[in-house]
Amino acid sequence: GAGVSQSPSNKVTEKGKDVELRCDPISGHTALYWYRQSLGQGLEFLIYFQGNSAPDKSGLPSDRFSAERTGGSVSTLTIQRTQQEDSAVYLCASSWGTGTRGPQHFGDGTRLSIL
Amino acid sequence: AQTVTQSQPEMSVQEAETVTLSCTYDTSESDYYLFWYKQPPSRQMILVIRQEAYKQQNATENRFSVNFQKAAKSFSLKISDSQLGDAAMYFCAYRSARNTDKLIFGTGTRLQVFP
Repeated sequence: GAGVSQSPSNKVTEKGKDVELRCDPISGHTALYWYRQSLGQGLEFLIYFQGNSAPDKSGLPSDRFSAERTGGSVSTLTIQRTQQEDSAVYLCASSWGTGTRGPQHFGDGTRLSIL
Repeated sequence: AQTVTQSQPEMSVQEAETVTLSCTYDTSESDYYLFWYKQPPSRQMILVIRQEAYKQQNATENRFSVNFQKAAKSFSLKISDSQLGDAAMYFCAYRSARNTDKLIFGTGTRLQVFP
């Protein structure tokens, strides 16, 4: 597609359940990022993938969070045993390079609500 | 660690007037990039303007311009001839030129535009 695609757009689940959020980056983009935006806050970095390099997981808030990127394209962010504080909008971005040659293009996000 | 501060939670402007959004940041690095992103209710983050720290000239994009003061670590956004469509959340963001390309965001400024 023309832009970064995220699914689902909205997800409501019960506390303790596992959830998977999907991101389909712009074709050809080698870098992929996940951010979390809690209500009324700025974006918080979670994880970064660049090509075949080991991902930068320094932003993941706990071991309940994990992400993978298969074939250098689609990425899945998984949250296990969800907690109410996990409620947020999860945004994915991709870029084709580093530095200002590769500005990050964002998807519309997944709004996750934990009951 | 780098931080980004936006001290104006909300701003308002009359249509066709000019408004300036403030942003300050803290870093010990000399080479980095600064960005302003716009987030309308659709949630998608849209890149408005970017500035390379090594460039002294302030970036401009049509009605949007920045006042980059490197010594003061200040990066304000000026919107001229404001339009109703400019109403959104505006986020200032920092990215190091050295390590992973994660963006560090401020908490945002909500801009209202009145007719």
